[in-house]
Amino acid sequence: DGGITQSPKYLFRKEGQNVTLSCEQNLNHDAMYWYRQDPGQGLRLIYYSQIVNDFQKGDIAEGYSVSREKKESFPLTVTSAQKNPTAFYLCASTPTGVGTEAFFGQGTRLTVV
Amino acid sequence: ELKVEQNPLFLSMQEGKNYTIYCNYSTTSDRLYWYRQDPGKSLESLFVLLSNGAVKQEGRLMASLDTKARLSTLHITAAVHDLSATYFCAVDYLMRADKLIFGTGTRLQVFP
Repeated sequence: DGGITQSPKYLFRKEGQNVTLSCEQNLNHDAMYWYRQDPGQGLRLIYYSQIVNDFQKGDIAEGYSVSREKKESFPLTVTSAQKNPTAFYLCASTPTGVGTEAFFGQGTRLTVV
Repeated sequence: ELKVEQNPLFLSMQEGKNYTIYCNYSTTSDRLYWYRQDPGKSLESLFVLLSNGAVKQEGRLMASLDTKARLSTLHITAAVHDLSATYFCAVDYLMRADKLIFGTGTRLQVFP
């Protein structure tokens, strides 16, 4: 079955540590996205990529980094520069084209300990 | 700046009752999406509304879009407990998926 897989489901980070969240899709979608969700709030865009080897900052990119070496994969690194990383992170993908529906992974809950 | 506002933010309703969730947005867009999120889970696509006057129905949920009024509604008919979740609308700003702006969500709780 086609879909988006995020791992791990839960992640704990120590202060000053970098962590990487995985996102893999087998939908053959060109575009992939990372969103952050804080309790009781909507989603905010961190980074997005429309093609391999290219990505753009979203609204809250500071303290995060991404790579897009393969069409299927779009990992997100939460760096030590991100001062408040505790949140629920969602990866999504869309096929090429405007106005297309986004499909979401199951999410990763990151907690700073 | 595009703003997407939902109301109410929280809705507690009795089983069997009807209610409407509203989604207002601040700039021109012909595309609007409704998603459902269960606690701790991902977002599940419910409806894709792609033109003015679009109406879609699935079970006890019906969504509509009025692009002139910049308003979408999600109507719940004869609510059941299984509909308890948070519902988000999202607007496709500038017809670009990277400009998908989400509302803050409406948390729906259905009780017996």
